[in-house]
Amino acid sequence: GESVGLHLPTLSVQEGDNSIINCAYSNSASDYFIWYKQESGKGPQFIIDIRSNMDKRQGQRVTVLLNKTVKHLSLQIAATQPGDSAVYFCAEKYSGGGADGLTFGKGTHLIIQP
Amino acid sequence: DARVTQTPRHKVTEMGQEVTMRCQPILGHNTVFWYRQTMMQGLELLAYFRNRAPLDDSGMPKDRFSAEMPDATLATLKIQPSEPRDSAVYFCASGLLGYNEQFFGPGTRLTVL
Repeated sequence: GESVGLHLPTLSVQEGDNSIINCAYSNSASDYFIWYKQESGKGPQFIIDIRSNMDKRQGQRVTVLLNKTVKHLSLQIAATQPGDSAVYFCAEKYSGGGADGLTFGKGTHLIIQP
Repeated sequence: DARVTQTPRHKVTEMGQEVTMRCQPILGHNTVFWYRQTMMQGLELLAYFRNRAPLDDSGMPKDRFSAEMPDATLATLKIQPSEPRDSAVYFCASGLLGYNEQFFGPGTRLTVL
């Protein structure tokens, strides 16, 4: 079956630097791509989403880029802070037939070094 | 501060026992999801409801798992009989139709011995 996957399981960055987390997807029919953050012992938390007809969307300190040509999604976090340490998941949503469930990637662990 | 709540937070049981996990979605949300998280498989969608009606349970082993919404404030996930391979963190999430943001609860960590 088709799936969403991540290139790197762990990413270590210095506090204050920018982070880029990558994701490869395979379902070209997905309508939305979403990033979630999961801190230890907690449930995933929504960060930002992007519709499949867009290539960039910005939020507070975060930017998501979508490259449909190579089926690649990235999350950029500006000026990383200790509170950004978490596992980041990309997810895709196919809304055909009114579906709402998400297909998640395996996750990237972001470590912020002081 | 509206949140999704789940009980119990931790459950240790023996193989063959029945396990029931409960979820209270955020008031007003019309869609409720059950996910399972393991190290090997990551986060997997098990089932979801809209306006209390089951819409998709294709991710759920039908022979032992069942999910219900007795009312708008309660969703349950039951495993009978439980097996060691069911050990995982089970998350409930709720949301609104047409919105991508799903609000996750803290999860139930299930260990089946």
